[in-house]
Amino acid sequence: DVKVTQSSRYLVKRTGEKVFLECVQDMDHENMFWYRQDPGLGLRLIYFSYDVKMKEKGDIPEGYSVSREKKERFSLILESASTNQTSMYLCASSLGGIMNTEAFFGQGTRLTVV
Amino acid sequence: AQKVTQAQTEISVVEKEDVTLDCVYETRDTTYYLFWYKQPPSGELVFLIRRNSFDEQNEISGRYSWNFQKSTSSFNFTITASQVVDSAVYFCALSERTGNQFYFGTGTSLTVIP
Repeated sequence: DVKVTQSSRYLVKRTGEKVFLECVQDMDHENMFWYRQDPGLGLRLIYFSYDVKMKEKGDIPEGYSVSREKKERFSLILESASTNQTSMYLCASSLGGIMNTEAFFGQGTRLTVV
Repeated sequence: AQKVTQAQTEISVVEKEDVTLDCVYETRDTTYYLFWYKQPPSGELVFLIRRNSFDEQNEISGRYSWNFQKSTSSFNFTITASQVVDSAVYFCALSERTGNQFYFGTGTSLTVIP
């Protein structure tokens, strides 16, 4: 069974903290993604990575950075958490290449910034 | 501009009714891929189907069926004889041949009333 695992299901952080959200996939996928999900807005892409150490900004990268040092791991970093970053964060991975295969998602991390 | 539009924000049906979820997409690529995902209350997005732009054949999987029409840029999803377990948020998504990204609609929240 394919697996995308996010390190936390729920997180509560204080304003100004540096926050790390970790995601690991065991499918040897090239592509990994971080999305943010908010009511009425659907899934919005924050960043994606198509290879180790490679990254591209998505639609809403401001206030976030990412790291992909190993193929299986993709980290989302909130440099200085703010209350407007309270949201559900979803990590996904896909095979990549020319096949445009489906993305597999983790269980999500619900982050609350107080 | 929104690449994927799901105009229905919320739908409620009574158990055993049929329901169709609409999805309209926009792309200039001649090769592209369309997807449907289900997000139950637990939060994890579950992949349902992937279609490529060259395959307009309708697909049926149990109570689920999909109608892909390039002429109207639509990829609609029908659930026949709905059940309470079908209650979830459903997302339609587009992936273009020229990129690695997935573009998601804003989702349709389906409630099946017993």
